Amino acid sequence: QSVLTQPPSASGTPGQRVTISCSGSSSNIGSNTVNWYQLLPGTAPKLLIYSYNQRPSGVPDRFSGSKSGTSASLAISGLQSEDEAVYYCAAWDDSLNGRVVFGGGTKLTVL
Amino acid sequence: QVQLVQSGAEVKRPGASVKVSCKASGYTFTDYYLHWMRQAPGQGLEWMGWVNPNRGDTKYAQKFQGRVTMTRDTPISTAYMELSRLRSDDTAVYYCAKERNLGESALDLWGRGTLVTVSS
Repeated sequence: QSVLTQPPSASGTPGQRVTISCSGSSSNIGSNTVNWYQLLPGTAPKLLIYSYNQRPSGVPDRFSGSKSGTSASLAISGLQSEDEAVYYCAAWDDSLNGRVVFGGGTKLTVL
Repeated sequence: QVQLVQSGAEVKRPGASVKVSCKASGYTFTDYYLHWMRQAPGQGLEWMGWVNPNRGDTKYAQKFQGRVTMTRDTPISTAYMELSRLRSDDTAVYYCAKERNLGESALDLWGRGTLVTVSS
């Protein structure tokens, strides 16, 4: 059971805008920054968004992040076939002596 | 180039130990904490802890306290994660990843993972 809650799946057609939610609590999202990762089969996980809405160099501006209270969202606009992947949210959690917690992952399918 | 190269797949018996390595290149190894995560089949990512390559101090997730040891060898820019008393539910892909900035939880460089299979 993951500490952060994500929908198991999401889908969209090319060109559409898709959002993926991530729900947490006051000890993680409510008080610490949220990061998003993209996992493609057979490749190393990739940091997509850090500190809620910052993109590392090389990540297209089609990807954006936001936070409200104890929840966060990843939005992907202009959906492309290569965006089909599993997306994870993550945050530092102040409980249990401090730890990184992840969501369960959302499998994005581009129809 | 900037990368983390992990050791190859392992098959272990229950009760044994496994030691996975993570060799850094392209950046100053001692400037960024290295984290370890795992992903069991059909499951999400799970954080195991970090090692400070500069001083060698560590922080482990409570779940793995007493079973995991994270170390580093700075002359060869390599970090290690050893997990003991292996069980079948330790079967997973194990990843190392570096922090984007010191003290930040964002992990901007990941290894490709090491599959550890625990089976009798």
